[in-house]
Amino acid sequence: SQQGEEDPQALSIQEGENATMNCSYKTSINNLQWYRQNSGRGLVHLILIRSNEREKHSGRLRVTLDTSKKSSSLLITASRAADTASYFCATDSNGGGADGLTFGKGTHLIIQP
Amino acid sequence: DAGVIQSPRHEVTEMGQEVTLRCKPISGHNSLFWYRQTMMRGLELLIYFNNNVPIDDSGMPEDRFSAKMPNASFSTLKIQPSEPRDSAVYFCASSFAGGSYEQYFGPGTRLTVT
Repeated sequence: SQQGEEDPQALSIQEGENATMNCSYKTSINNLQWYRQNSGRGLVHLILIRSNEREKHSGRLRVTLDTSKKSSSLLITASRAADTASYFCATDSNGGGADGLTFGKGTHLIIQP
Repeated sequence: DAGVIQSPRHEVTEMGQEVTLRCKPISGHNSLFWYRQTMMRGLELLIYFNNNVPIDDSGMPEDRFSAKMPNASFSTLKIQPSEPRDSAVYFCASSFAGGSYEQYFGPGTRLTVT
């Protein structure tokens, strides 16, 4: 079953603008991860935020986590055409890196040149 | 490192046939995961192994699905007999338990059952 639910399902913006995607989940978590999937490819890990963290940055990526609301957001600043992809949040309820992830259905991001 | 390797990349088969998907995890990783992706259901965890031992197969849809990991460098996912509703992209991923929690995905096998 899907734990994470991303919104919006699709997002189209102009190159250079910021893109924000949201994710909600249902059960308690140890960490939340964001992955990117280019068309026809496998998923690529972007960033992980632990349940005791509220915000994390990595390059042009900023992730926030609100465990009281069971939600997370992914912000991509200064978007580029190469950022066009689907973005998924994934939750790890047990931690340790040894458990399967529960993925949301993803946000399809299109960056218009 | 070659990353996670999956074969075949594409498989087209007729209903009722046996299908075997293969995965070679990244060397040194001790956890392996099989996921399935469809438009309707998104990404679903089917089964995962830690140190070659199946830990949770509750995501395997039916008895027609089975997975094995005979050693640390090889895993198979078998569907027998296959049905049209099994058509999907099947991903294998690996990670190092106790490490960074990050999972590394293979390119996937696109299965079409006619």
